[in-house]
Amino acid sequence: EDQVTQSPEALRLQEGESSSLNCSYTVSGLRGLFWYRQDPGKGPEFLFTLYSAGEEKEKERLKATLTKKESFLHITAPKPEDSATYLCAVSNFNKFYFGSGTKLNVKP
Amino acid sequence: SQTIHQWPATLVQPVGSPLSLECTVEGTSNPNLYWYRQAAGRGLQLLFYSVGIGQISSEVPQNLSASRPQDRQFILSSKKLLLSDSGFYLCASSGTGSIYGYTFGSGTRLTVV
Repeated sequence: EDQVTQSPEALRLQEGESSSLNCSYTVSGLRGLFWYRQDPGKGPEFLFTLYSAGEEKEKERLKATLTKKESFLHITAPKPEDSATYLCAVSNFNKFYFGSGTKLNVKP
Repeated sequence: SQTIHQWPATLVQPVGSPLSLECTVEGTSNPNLYWYRQAAGRGLQLLFYSVGIGQISSEVPQNLSASRPQDRQFILSSKKLLLSDSGFYLCASSGTGSIYGYTFGSGTRLTVV
């Protein structure tokens, strides 16, 4: 069965305390893995696409990596404005499968 | 780049009333279009997707229906709302082949009372 599992469900960090979010997946014919940021009451905002194992993408304090079974979103020296829910999704032909997200809270 | 216009932003409707949520896409042609529902603290549940005008696939049996009367217009409807239809509804668009990420609309918060 194709599925995406994100962990932890919630993460509280102090400003400057680096950490990683996990997205593990089982899908046949992976075509891409996507990370999104979602602020409360808003639609998800696209962050990264990863296509093959070993690929890495960076944007400001965020770095996404991909293996054959999972992806990590590394957050380096986070700031309060990084607080949001981070969603992971994988695509298989015409379908996307979303994880339930990790709610990140960064305290000053 | 694609832009999705989704309205209204919030909606409070009584049980048994009809529903119509509209989504329009700019900046692309022949997109794949999707309706998702997101319950509080939970992931995104795919409701409908469309790969072309008049082509609708339903993922889960429910009280809702979808239509695509034009290439860049996607409508979510219900004849009679249920309390369980409350939630955050998101319209999304992607390029054909699903190797591109989604572009999401800003969402509609529906509360059925």
